Amino acid sequence: QKEVEQNSGPLSVPEGAIASLNCTYSDRGSQSFFWYRQYSGKSPELIMFIYSNGDKEDGRFTAQLNKASQYVSLLIRDSQPSDSATYLCAVMNFNKFYFGSGTKLNVKP
Amino acid sequence: SAVISQKPSRDICQRGTSLTIQCQVDSQVTMMFWYRQQPGQSLTLIATANQGSEATYESGFVIDKFPISRPNLTFSTLTVSNMSPEDSSIYLCSVEDRGREGNEQFFGPGTRLTVL
Repeated sequence: QKEVEQNSGPLSVPEGAIASLNCTYSDRGSQSFFWYRQYSGKSPELIMFIYSNGDKEDGRFTAQLNKASQYVSLLIRDSQPSDSATYLCAVMNFNKFYFGSGTKLNVKP
Repeated sequence: SAVISQKPSRDICQRGTSLTIQCQVDSQVTMMFWYRQQPGQSLTLIATANQGSEATYESGFVIDKFPISRPNLTFSTLTVSNMSPEDSSIYLCSVEDRGREGNEQFFGPGTRLTVL
């Protein structure tokens, strides 16, 4: 079983809509959860991280964590074409990061 | 946050040769990591490089194939030895550093390796 699972997509949403990206993880002891954005040919860049149950908002981005259900999600409000990228979910467990395979998001103008 | 550079940014190599990738950080960091990202795939951790000790390799990766050096707190190298076309990938250096709210992992720009 993979440590971190994501739907590979692609997820297509129209410009201005809310994009919802989901991630599940297998280890209940995981401590921190990260969302990275990766444009084609570029290295991942951190968007947000969350470590407590509930929601965390930063601009158009909201991360949601539910430790009981072992899932973490990322909502992107008012999606823009520039948000089109692959979004990687990462879980930190004892200083090791485990990455999901990523969800490709397409925001159509 | 840490700023990371890698050299070379890309290379095309012949089967059987070796390539050493350099990673330089603009601040002292305890933990440095080497990842591989094969085409269309996510990141796979190769090893953790700690200064003053041997690197810790993940399952499926061995020191003979991927020797790592960590001579100081700002620099590390990864060598891809006796390369085959299956080693064609992007190799990423990353560090754990203090971010806005806690420890975060930052990535270098990557080295795109093609093995013929």
